Amino acid sequence: AQKITQTQPGMFVQEKEAVTLDCTYDTSDPSYGLFWYKQPSSGEMIFLIYQGSYDQQNATEGRYSLNFQKARKSANLVISASQLGDSAMYFCAMRDYTGGFKTIFGAGTRLFVKA
Amino acid sequence: DTGVSQDPRHKITKRGQNVTFRCDPISEHNRLYWYRQTLGQGPEFLTYFQNEAQLEKSRLLSDRFSAERPKGSFSTLEIQRTEQGDSAMYLCASSPLENIQYFGAGTRLSVL
Repeated sequence: AQKITQTQPGMFVQEKEAVTLDCTYDTSDPSYGLFWYKQPSSGEMIFLIYQGSYDQQNATEGRYSLNFQKARKSANLVISASQLGDSAMYFCAMRDYTGGFKTIFGAGTRLFVKA
Repeated sequence: DTGVSQDPRHKITKRGQNVTFRCDPISEHNRLYWYRQTLGQGPEFLTYFQNEAQLEKSRLLSDRFSAERPKGSFSTLEIQRTEQGDSAMYLCASSPLENIQYFGAGTRLSVL
């Protein structure tokens, strides 16, 4: 069965420093996608970054990068040069491409950026 | 492009009443998803449409829940005989392809 685990309920980071948010996943499907979303207090889920299971290189989008370690089944999000506006909930999610259309989300990590 | 729109943003209802939520996806997106999110949790998948066809439903979607997308554009989610356990944020998302989903701001339901 598919599963996403985010073990850090909350994280603190100093402004301008980098932070890593952990995500591990479990699936038996060889074809899948991994996503990170940001949810500020306003409630809207904002797409950040995507990694396909067959992608050879780690995904990057601006200050966001995904540290994809397939053998360990981990997909950690790295935010560089943290900003105060990065304070939010962050969700890791996964979609199997042969097992249906369902996307599952982890429980999330709340990030606090300190000035 | 106005993004995914959900209406209403907030709904307060009494237990036993029926409620209906609407989602307008991004216009060129033929894939539409509904999720439920309770406090402190990630979104839980409810159902998926490709155009007007409902291709997958979660077991979370009890017989009190029904979703439609009659013309392959906007979608509605109806909850009949609401219960206090239905109180949650209901999120809609749309996508043009099989991967990235773009979410609306959600409808927050409170059942008294």
